[in-house]
Amino acid sequence: AQKVTQAQTEISVVEKEDVTLDCVYETRDTTYYLFWYKQPPSGELVFLIRRNSFDEQNEISGRYSWNFQKSTSSFNFTITASQVVDSAVYFCALSELSNDMRFGAGTRLTVKP
Amino acid sequence: DAGVIQSPRHEVTEMGQEVTLRCKPISGHDYLFWYRQTMMRGLELLIYFNNNVPIDDSGMPEDRFSAKMPNASFSTLKIQPSEPRDSAVYFCASSSNREETQYFGPGTRLLVL
Repeated sequence: AQKVTQAQTEISVVEKEDVTLDCVYETRDTTYYLFWYKQPPSGELVFLIRRNSFDEQNEISGRYSWNFQKSTSSFNFTITASQVVDSAVYFCALSELSNDMRFGAGTRLTVKP
Repeated sequence: DAGVIQSPRHEVTEMGQEVTLRCKPISGHDYLFWYRQTMMRGLELLIYFNNNVPIDDSGMPEDRFSAKMPNASFSTLKIQPSEPRDSAVYFCASSSNREETQYFGPGTRLLVL
């Protein structure tokens, strides 16, 4: 069963636009963890954020912000004032106590100058 | 502190040859994960170890694949014999706990001709 859904396969924006990457997850556990990773063109996987299921506070880190809503099982990622260097594939992932980590299919973000 | 180290970064081999991929996890991390990334299947967990012991190898595709972790600072993923469909990027990741953040190595890009 699909655990993590990233419905947006590709997104293209122009520099300085805001962009939101969607992530919807599915779990029966009450304790779980959500992650976002960035994979730039160079290929490495870079950790961005980890959130546990008991902390629904939104988080902001510079131009990045995350909106965690348990009511809709979503953990969306927004980049404000996007830059060309933000171009990458972004993965959302779910880790449950009862299961191994599951990654979404990824969203390829292209930021054009 | 050094991150996860993988070698080689690139490997080109011919069908039927043995391939060995290597990984050094972050010091102090008790969990080590091997993933495979392809365009068709995305990121797949192949196997993971806890304290050098293989815990879940259900993701290993075939008997041609084997993984070992002889000590806390070294793991190998071996493919014998290799086939063209094994061409992919293989990532190693480590974490301090199963639900904690997994930190990924740079990956090994494998091409089997």
